[in-house]
Amino acid sequence: KQEVTQIPAALSVPEGENLVLNCSFTDSAIYNLQWFRQDPGKGLTSLLLIQSSQREQTSGRLNASLDKSSGRSTLYIAASQPGDSATYLCAVSQYGNKLVFGAGTILRVKS
Amino acid sequence: SAVISQKPSRDICQRGTSLTIQCQVDSQVTMMFWYRQQPGQSLTLIATANQGSEATYESGFVIDKFPISRPNLTFSTLTVSNMSPEDSSIYLCSVTPSDRSVSYNEQFFGPGTRLTVL
Repeated sequence: KQEVTQIPAALSVPEGENLVLNCSFTDSAIYNLQWFRQDPGKGLTSLLLIQSSQREQTSGRLNASLDKSSGRSTLYIAASQPGDSATYLCAVSQYGNKLVFGAGTILRVKS
Repeated sequence: SAVISQKPSRDICQRGTSLTIQCQVDSQVTMMFWYRQQPGQSLTLIATANQGSEATYESGFVIDKFPISRPNLTFSTLTVSNMSPEDSSIYLCSVTPSDRSVSYNEQFFGPGTRLTVL
Protein backbone atom coordinates (compact mmCIF):
# COMPACT_ATOMS: atom_id res chain seq x y z
CA LYS A 1 0.00 0.00 0.00
CA GLN A 2 1.38 3.39 -1.02
CA GLU A 3 2.27 5.71 1.83
CA VAL A 4 3.27 9.34 1.41
CA THR A 5 5.14 11.25 4.11
CA GLN A 6 5.84 14.96 4.23
CA ILE A 7 8.51 16.62 6.34
CA PRO A 8 8.40 18.98 8.13
CA ALA A 9 4.81 19.01 9.36
CA ALA A 10 5.05 22.75 9.94
CA LEU A 11 7.53 25.45 9.06
CA SER A 12 7.78 29.11 10.01
CA VAL A 13 10.28 31.32 8.19
CA PRO A 14 10.94 35.05 7.79
CA GLU A 15 10.05 36.67 4.51
CA GLY A 16 12.71 36.36 1.82
CA GLU A 17 14.08 32.99 2.87
CA ASN A 18 14.50 30.12 0.46
CA LEU A 19 12.94 26.91 1.74
CA VAL A 20 12.57 23.23 0.92
CA LEU A 21 9.62 20.98 1.57
CA ASN A 22 10.13 17.23 1.46
CA CYS A 23 7.91 14.40 0.29
CA SER A 24 8.67 10.68 0.29
CA PHE A 25 6.66 7.72 -0.99
CA THR A 26 7.04 3.98 -0.46
CA ASP A 27 6.04 2.56 -3.88
CA SER A 28 7.97 3.83 -6.89
CA ALA A 29 5.30 2.61 -9.36
CA ILE A 30 3.78 6.03 -9.90
CA TYR A 31 2.55 7.86 -12.99
CA ASN A 32 3.32 11.30 -11.68
CA LEU A 33 3.65 13.44 -8.58
CA GLN A 34 1.73 16.62 -7.95
CA TRP A 35 2.29 19.44 -5.50
CA PHE A 36 -0.77 21.35 -4.31
CA ARG A 37 -1.41 24.37 -2.20
CA GLN A 38 -4.41 24.61 0.13
CA ASP A 39 -5.46 27.81 1.83
CA PRO A 40 -7.51 27.54 5.06
CA GLY A 41 -11.04 26.33 4.37
CA LYS A 42 -10.44 26.23 0.62
CA GLY A 43 -9.96 23.66 -2.10
CA LEU A 44 -6.65 22.64 -3.66
CA THR A 45 -4.66 24.59 -6.21
CA SER A 46 -2.32 22.58 -8.41
CA LEU A 47 1.21 24.02 -8.35
CA LEU A 48 3.38 21.59 -10.27
CA LEU A 49 3.11 18.16 -11.83
CA ILE A 50 6.17 16.01 -12.48
CA GLN A 51 5.77 13.02 -14.75
CA SER A 52 7.43 9.82 -13.61
CA SER A 53 10.03 10.15 -16.40
CA GLN A 54 11.00 13.69 -15.42
CA ARG A 55 13.48 14.94 -12.84
CA GLU A 56 12.14 18.42 -12.17
CA GLN A 57 9.62 21.10 -13.04
CA THR A 58 9.74 24.84 -12.50
CA SER A 59 7.06 27.49 -12.25
CA GLY A 60 8.08 30.97 -11.23
CA ARG A 61 9.65 30.81 -7.77
CA LEU A 62 8.76 27.15 -7.39
CA ASN A 63 10.93 24.22 -8.37
CA ALA A 64 9.98 20.61 -7.77
CA SER A 65 12.31 17.65 -8.16
CA LEU A 66 11.58 13.95 -8.34
CA ASP A 67 13.84 10.98 -7.62
CA LYS A 68 11.52 8.13 -8.39
CA SER A 69 13.98 5.34 -7.58
CA SER A 70 14.53 6.61 -4.06
CA GLY A 71 10.90 7.66 -3.59
CA ARG A 72 11.58 11.32 -2.91
CA SER A 73 10.44 14.72 -4.09
CA THR A 74 11.28 18.21 -2.94
CA LEU A 75 9.50 21.51 -3.45
CA TYR A 76 11.83 24.48 -3.41
CA ILE A 77 10.33 27.93 -2.83
CA ALA A 78 12.64 30.85 -3.56
CA ALA A 79 12.42 34.24 -1.88
CA SER A 80 9.38 33.34 0.21
CA GLN A 81 6.58 35.88 0.69
CA PRO A 82 3.77 36.15 3.26
CA GLY A 83 1.34 35.22 0.48
CA ASP A 84 3.03 31.82 0.27
CA SER A 85 1.61 30.94 3.68
CA ALA A 86 -0.60 27.88 3.19
CA THR A 87 -0.60 24.11 3.54
CA TYR A 88 1.43 22.35 0.86
CA LEU A 89 0.40 18.83 -0.11
CA CYS A 90 2.17 16.34 -2.30
CA ALA A 91 0.31 13.49 -3.95
CA VAL A 92 1.37 10.57 -6.11
CA SER A 93 -0.76 9.23 -8.93
CA GLN A 94 -1.16 5.50 -9.28
CA TYR A 95 -3.18 3.09 -11.39
CA GLY A 96 -6.58 4.51 -12.21
CA ASN A 97 -5.31 8.07 -11.68
CA LYS A 98 -5.93 7.73 -7.97
CA LEU A 99 -4.04 10.23 -5.86
CA VAL A 100 -2.46 9.27 -2.55
CA PHE A 101 -1.78 12.33 -0.44
CA GLY A 102 0.73 13.18 2.23
CA ALA A 103 -0.40 14.88 5.44
CA GLY A 104 0.95 18.23 4.27
CA THR A 105 3.37 20.89 5.45
CA ILE A 106 1.88 24.00 7.05
CA LEU A 107 3.99 26.95 5.95
CA ARG A 108 3.97 30.35 7.60
CA VAL A 109 6.02 33.15 6.13
CA LYS A 110 6.41 36.04 8.54
CA SER A 111 6.67 39.62 7.27
CA SER B 1 -7.27 23.55 -16.73
CA ALA B 2 -10.88 22.73 -15.88
CA VAL B 3 -13.18 25.03 -13.92
CA ILE B 4 -15.04 23.10 -11.25
CA SER B 5 -17.91 24.25 -9.07
CA GLN B 6 -19.50 22.53 -6.11
CA LYS B 7 -22.83 23.04 -4.42
CA PRO B 8 -23.42 23.67 -1.62
CA SER B 9 -20.23 25.34 -0.47
CA ARG B 10 -21.09 24.53 3.13
CA ASP B 11 -23.94 23.09 5.15
CA ILE B 12 -24.87 22.25 8.70
CA CYS B 13 -27.00 19.13 8.98
CA GLN B 14 -28.71 17.12 11.65
CA ARG B 15 -27.71 13.61 12.58
CA GLY B 16 -29.55 10.94 10.58
CA THR B 17 -30.28 13.11 7.55
CA SER B 18 -28.67 12.96 4.08
CA LEU B 19 -26.97 15.61 1.95
CA THR B 20 -26.31 15.54 -1.78
CA ILE B 21 -23.29 17.45 -3.07
CA GLN B 22 -23.08 18.47 -6.71
CA CYS B 23 -19.95 18.83 -8.83
CA GLN B 24 -20.13 20.61 -12.19
CA VAL B 25 -17.24 20.96 -14.66
CA ASP B 26 -17.06 23.45 -17.53
CA SER B 27 -15.79 20.84 -20.00
CA GLN B 28 -16.05 17.12 -20.60
CA VAL B 29 -13.61 15.15 -18.49
CA THR B 30 -12.54 11.55 -18.49
CA MET B 31 -12.42 10.90 -14.80
CA MET B 32 -14.10 12.38 -11.75
CA PHE B 33 -13.21 11.56 -8.18
CA TRP B 34 -14.61 12.29 -4.74
CA TYR B 35 -12.31 12.89 -1.77
CA ARG B 36 -12.90 13.50 1.92
CA GLN B 37 -10.77 15.69 4.15
CA GLN B 38 -11.53 15.20 7.82
CA PRO B 39 -10.64 18.00 10.24
CA GLY B 40 -6.89 18.46 10.51
CA GLN B 41 -6.16 15.59 8.13
CA SER B 42 -5.17 15.12 4.53
CA LEU B 43 -7.35 13.95 1.67
CA THR B 44 -8.64 10.41 1.30
CA LEU B 45 -10.17 9.07 -1.90
CA ILE B 46 -13.76 7.93 -1.48
CA ALA B 47 -14.52 6.71 -4.98
CA THR B 48 -14.08 7.12 -8.71
CA ALA B 49 -17.29 8.32 -10.37
CA ASN B 50 -17.78 6.34 -13.59
CA GLN B 51 -19.95 7.75 -16.34
CA GLY B 52 -22.84 5.42 -17.10
CA SER B 53 -21.92 2.78 -14.53
CA GLU B 54 -21.57 2.26 -10.80
CA ALA B 55 -18.84 4.13 -8.96
CA THR B 56 -15.69 2.34 -7.84
CA TYR B 57 -15.26 2.65 -4.08
CA GLU B 58 -12.06 2.57 -2.06
CA SER B 59 -11.57 0.34 0.93
CA GLY B 60 -13.61 1.59 3.87
CA PHE B 61 -16.25 3.34 1.77
CA VAL B 62 -19.52 1.74 0.65
CA ILE B 63 -22.26 2.64 -1.79
CA ASP B 64 -25.03 2.60 0.83
CA LYS B 65 -23.27 5.33 2.79
CA PHE B 66 -21.90 7.35 -0.15
CA PRO B 67 -24.05 6.81 -3.25
CA ILE B 68 -22.58 8.52 -6.30
CA SER B 69 -24.11 9.39 -9.64
CA ARG B 70 -22.44 10.50 -12.87
CA PRO B 71 -25.05 10.94 -15.58
CA ASN B 72 -22.70 12.61 -18.08
CA LEU B 73 -19.09 13.74 -18.62
CA THR B 74 -19.48 17.09 -16.83
CA PHE B 75 -21.55 16.37 -13.71
CA SER B 76 -21.51 14.14 -10.64
CA THR B 77 -23.20 13.97 -7.26
CA LEU B 78 -22.10 12.50 -3.95
CA THR B 79 -24.68 11.79 -1.25
CA VAL B 80 -23.65 11.43 2.37
CA SER B 81 -26.38 9.25 3.88
CA ASN B 82 -27.61 8.81 7.44
CA MET B 83 -25.08 11.31 8.67
CA SER B 84 -23.30 11.27 12.01
CA PRO B 85 -20.90 13.83 13.52
CA GLU B 86 -18.02 11.67 12.25
CA ASP B 87 -19.03 12.63 8.70
CA SER B 88 -18.13 16.27 9.37
CA SER B 89 -15.50 16.94 6.72
CA ILE B 90 -14.69 18.83 3.59
CA TYR B 91 -15.80 16.88 0.53
CA LEU B 92 -13.99 17.65 -2.71
CA CYS B 93 -14.47 16.52 -6.26
CA SER B 94 -11.58 16.37 -8.68
CA VAL B 95 -11.24 15.77 -12.40
CA THR B 96 -8.66 14.86 -15.00
CA PRO B 97 -9.04 16.41 -18.46
CA SER B 98 -9.86 14.12 -21.38
CA ASP B 99 -7.07 15.22 -23.67
CA ARG B 100 -4.04 14.17 -21.65
CA SER B 101 -1.94 11.03 -21.55
CA VAL B 102 -1.99 8.96 -18.40
CA SER B 103 1.38 10.21 -17.19
CA TYR B 104 0.27 13.80 -17.52
CA ASN B 105 -3.15 13.48 -15.98
CA GLU B 106 -3.02 16.54 -13.78
CA GLN B 107 -5.92 16.59 -11.37
CA PHE B 108 -7.92 19.70 -10.66
CA PHE B 109 -10.02 20.15 -7.59
CA GLY B 110 -13.27 21.89 -6.85
CA PRO B 111 -13.55 24.41 -4.01
CA GLY B 112 -14.97 21.79 -1.65
CA THR B 113 -18.11 21.44 0.44
CA ARG B 114 -17.67 21.96 4.16
CA LEU B 115 -20.12 19.72 6.01
CA THR B 116 -20.87 19.95 9.72
CA VAL B 117 -23.10 17.32 11.29
CA LEU B 118 -24.64 18.11 14.67
